[in-house]
Amino acid sequence: NAGVTQTPKFQVLKTGQSMTLQCAQDMNHEYMSWYRQDPGMGLRLIHYSVGAGITDQGEVPNGYNVSRSTTEDFPLRLLSAAPSQTSVYFCASSYDRVNTEAFFGQGTRLTVV
Amino acid sequence: AQKVTQAQTEISVVEKEDVTLDCVYETRDTTYYLFWYKQPPSGELVFLIRRNSFDEQNEISGRYSWNFQKSTSSFNFTITASQVVDSAVYFCALFTSGGGADGLTFGKGTHLIIQP
Repeated sequence: NAGVTQTPKFQVLKTGQSMTLQCAQDMNHEYMSWYRQDPGMGLRLIHYSVGAGITDQGEVPNGYNVSRSTTEDFPLRLLSAAPSQTSVYFCASSYDRVNTEAFFGQGTRLTVV
Repeated sequence: AQKVTQAQTEISVVEKEDVTLDCVYETRDTTYYLFWYKQPPSGELVFLIRRNSFDEQNEISGRYSWNFQKSTSSFNFTITASQVVDSAVYFCALFTSGGGADGLTFGKGTHLIIQP
């Protein structure tokens, strides 16, 4: 009964490096999304997907790419890390786009130095 | 555009006091959904409640209650007889289906501190 699993939990990157944050869910949810949480800012939507093969941009998509080749997985790629991307990243999934009850992963704390 | 305002950045009360967390939202859509999430010090996000725009009934779940008022665009959260375990950051969030990005718009959160 894993729910939404994010890896890694912590990561330190150097400016300019690339990496992929992994997100997997085992609830057969169609809708998945990525948020970033910054102090005093709440959570902001980066990208989302309403089903396999379909992705779209959220409020703060610049510097990030996503893909959804399977229902279960929704990785978030940082193309060239910048200090402004230091944040806590949350992946979420829900049964449908109306967010009947969004299940969140444990979060990934990313530091870019 | 959607917006959620949680004007209270931090609230500190003594255990057993009642406390209300305010949430005011803005949207032009007639169909929308409101949520409350709890983020304890461990960092995970815990779903508390979801309300749709057509259901203005107040809800009570144990010591938690929610007051939804469309007339004032508010969805306030009250904890009765607060406990130390209630200490957390609480987020109010809005989802609308009327265009734009499909996702939750979060308020900035209210940090609730319950002192023993």
